[in-house]
Amino acid sequence: DAGVTQSPTHLIKTRGQHVTLRCSPISGHKSVSWYQQVLGQGPQFIFQYYEKEERGRGNFPDRFSARQFPNYSSELNVNALLLGDSALYLCASSPTPGLAGGEQFFGPGTRLTVL
Amino acid sequence: QKEVEQNSGPLSVPEGAIASLNCTYSDRVSQSFFWYRQYSGKSPELIMSIYSNGDKEDGRFTAQLNKASQYVSLLIRDSQPSDSATYLCAVLSGSARQLTFGSGTQLTVLP
Repeated sequence: DAGVTQSPTHLIKTRGQHVTLRCSPISGHKSVSWYQQVLGQGPQFIFQYYEKEERGRGNFPDRFSARQFPNYSSELNVNALLLGDSALYLCASSPTPGLAGGEQFFGPGTRLTVL
Repeated sequence: QKEVEQNSGPLSVPEGAIASLNCTYSDRVSQSFFWYRQYSGKSPELIMSIYSNGDKEDGRFTAQLNKASQYVSLLIRDSQPSDSATYLCAVLSGSARQLTFGSGTQLTVLP
């Protein structure tokens, strides 16, 4: 079975631009979470979606938004990009949030560079 | 105080030795704990999960949990150069039961 997929792999944007990152979860998984990882730090929670509804949001500004589609894939949108948004954006898939132990499986990530 | 803290490292051990990685957490109601391995330039890979006090073994890996001390550790026996990576401790917490990560410990296994 395919794992979590993310696109694009790499992205270069300039300050003020907008970006959309995409994620497809493992088949049968209904929950998608987004994390931001800056160099030298652990991933930080941005959003969690389950059955197309937002289940949680981390401490990120309103420039960050996300949604989940009926096929459980998800998009993360970031508006008005800042240099500090440069990071690895990770999507994690789980069967059901918080149940059955809560194991989450990560995709390969999207490396975003803001110039 | 950080919610999840790991020994800062970097940690170097010779090949064949035991590597010990430690983590403490602040949320007493946390019930699920994970260790992820992250190779440079790659995404985190789940290697161990533990939910009950005590030890859990999987091959060369042993996770240990002490909820009273709010402490979780990972032991890697017979360390191999291929174990060289950053190890991330993660705790399931919060209203959405999201993962909260430590900043990671970089492990180098010397041949």
